Amino acid sequence: QVQLVQSGAEVKKPGASVKVSCKVSGDTLTELPTHWVRQAPGKGLEWMGGLDLEEGEAIYAQKFQGRVSMTEDISTDTVYMELSTLKSDDTAVYYCATAPPGSSGLFFDYWGQGTLVTVSS
Amino acid sequence: DIVMTQSPDSLAVPLGERATINCKSSQSVLRSSNNKNYLAWYQQKSGQPPKLIIYWASARESGVPDRFSGSGSGTDFTLTISSLQAEDVAVYYCQQCSSSPLTFGQGTKVEIK
Repeated sequence: QVQLVQSGAEVKKPGASVKVSCKVSGDTLTELPTHWVRQAPGKGLEWMGGLDLEEGEAIYAQKFQGRVSMTEDISTDTVYMELSTLKSDDTAVYYCATAPPGSSGLFFDYWGQGTLVTVSS
Repeated sequence: DIVMTQSPDSLAVPLGERATINCKSSQSVLRSSNNKNYLAWYQQKSGQPPKLIIYWASARESGVPDRFSGSGSGTDFTLTISSLQAEDVAVYYCQQCSSSPLTFGQGTKVEIK
């Protein structure tokens, strides 16, 4: 059983950066495509990007290109999402999620509990 | 980008009755290479992360009650709850994973009438 445990809530000022962690247990990062999805208050789900295991690199939604970085630490089975130059509309719950290993379909069967990031002056 | 449009935005159904949610994609999500529709459905209850309920448009995730079913192909898909239960109150999202960026529908809120 895969479990994803995320870091705690953050409050940041506009222009700052935030780094959210997601620790994976029950399987290894090398097998699990791990992605990030965010949800602004009262809004829908928005895919930000994730780690492409075949290419060995992160892929990002164009909206976040240049502002987001997704990395992994295989030694601790932890993935990180860092978002820079924060704006008020980045206020959201950020989820990490994994897709079934070996599947060509990126649908997410395991989710972290979510991390609320609040951007406010 | 593939735009996913759900209808209706919300619906209220009596307990035990059928609930039907539609999802339309702006481009086909069917891959001819493997004849699979890259379409998933999620259930999100208040204050919780989304839960995968249907993948490949019609495959039910392990542990999901059989009152949930998915159908459709190409650009038009449907999630059906055959007999609505109180615990099914939630927002439901469709998602395409046929091409990047992955995109979600805007969500459909299901309530008890």
